[in-house]
Amino acid sequence: EAQVTQNPRYLITVTGKKLTVTCSQNMNHEYMSWYRQDPGLGLRQIYYSMNVEVTDKGDVPEGYKVSRKEKRNFPLILESPSPNQTSLYFCASSPQGARRFTEAFFGQGTRLTVV
Amino acid sequence: AQSVTQLDSHVSVSEGTPVLLRCNYSSSYSPSLFWYVQHPNKGLQLLLKYTSAATLVKGINGFEAEFKKSETSFHLTKPSAHMSDAAEYFCVVSDYSSASKIIFGSGTRLSIRP
Repeated sequence: EAQVTQNPRYLITVTGKKLTVTCSQNMNHEYMSWYRQDPGLGLRQIYYSMNVEVTDKGDVPEGYKVSRKEKRNFPLILESPSPNQTSLYFCASSPQGARRFTEAFFGQGTRLTVV
Repeated sequence: AQSVTQLDSHVSVSEGTPVLLRCNYSSSYSPSLFWYVQHPNKGLQLLLKYTSAATLVKGINGFEAEFKKSETSFHLTKPSAHMSDAAEYFCVVSDYSSASKIIFGSGTRLSIRP
């Protein structure tokens, strides 16, 4: 089944403790992206990747890191989480090969709470 | 620069009545426009998309949207609401000038009254 898989689904952590949220897709998509969803703000893009070893900042990259060593995986790293990073996170992938965005497939989301 | 505005944060309709969720966009070039739906505690699912073909786009579950360039709108409609339509709906824009930028609206929560 074609899907985007995020882990974990739920995470409670303490301020400053490094964490990684994994994202994997099995559709051979070039494009992958991370979003955070906050009430009243919709989804805001954190980082995106056009292909392996190619990553770039979205609208809200502060406090986050990503890597794209393999096509299927795009982990989101919080080196020193803070309470303002408490949010619902979504990973997405897209078959976008040319410059036009066609459709994104989303993971189920990761609800992160930083205390 | 591209942007998208969902004009209503919450819409409530009775079951069996029409649904209208409004979306206006701003785009420098020819945009791609999408509607996604998010049911409670679920991920996002594509309802429909416009990518410069027919201006009236039909999606899943009886939803459709019309691209109106003169009004810069892409409103989502459904003739008859069903209880299962209760969810959050997001309008999304991406244009050719910045294909890596995908902008989400702030969302419209749709409630269905029995």
